Amino acid sequence: GAVVSQHPSRVICKSGTSVKIECRSLDFQATTMFWYRQFPKQSLMLMATSNEGSKATYEQGVEKDKFLINHASLTLSTLTVTSAHPEDSSFYICSASTTGGIYGYTFGSGTRLTVV
Amino acid sequence: QKEVEQNSGPLSVPEGAIASLNCTYSDRGSQSFFWYRQYSGKSPELIMFIYSNGDKEDGRFTAQLNKASQYVSLLIRDSQPSDSATYLCALTPAGGGNKLTFGTGTQLKVEL
Repeated sequence: GAVVSQHPSRVICKSGTSVKIECRSLDFQATTMFWYRQFPKQSLMLMATSNEGSKATYEQGVEKDKFLINHASLTLSTLTVTSAHPEDSSFYICSASTTGGIYGYTFGSGTRLTVV
Repeated sequence: QKEVEQNSGPLSVPEGAIASLNCTYSDRGSQSFFWYRQYSGKSPELIMFIYSNGDKEDGRFTAQLNKASQYVSLLIRDSQPSDSATYLCALTPAGGGNKLTFGTGTQLKVEL
């Protein structure tokens, strides 16, 4: 089955620094990946759609200059949180599908970001 | 009105009972519906998907879809303590391509 690997699983960074999160499709090629953010006790909120070889599509209210997305290959998408602040502390999760989403999406294991 | 609504719970059921989780949605043109299970601190995992009106069964799980009434439900038979988790309802909105919209989830507790 489809496996999506996400790294790191946890990261603590200082306020003002940048953090890169990687999302890899291990056994399939993903032209599209999705990045979500989840705050405690809340649901997943879609941040952006990552498209291989082109610019990401950001959801309304998500700062594209703060959350940089790069999808340079069919198996790797990265999310960089730039100039992180404590309010960016959250659970970031990526997802991809082998079937364009027809049969659902597989999620990565998530990255717990804590900004201190 | 939220696009996808779920009762946050917690829903408590005894072990061995049937757990019934419900989800309503506002976009009548929504195409595909998914149920995900999320354990605390973990990412969601897909349980089932359903596209057509009616019931779809997979092991102890049954998804029910009623497009006229705009609701989708998940039944879990013979509930086990390991089923205790948050269950997320998700859908692909009409015209929304393959993006998923999630409900806030229902917390299920299966008690011994």
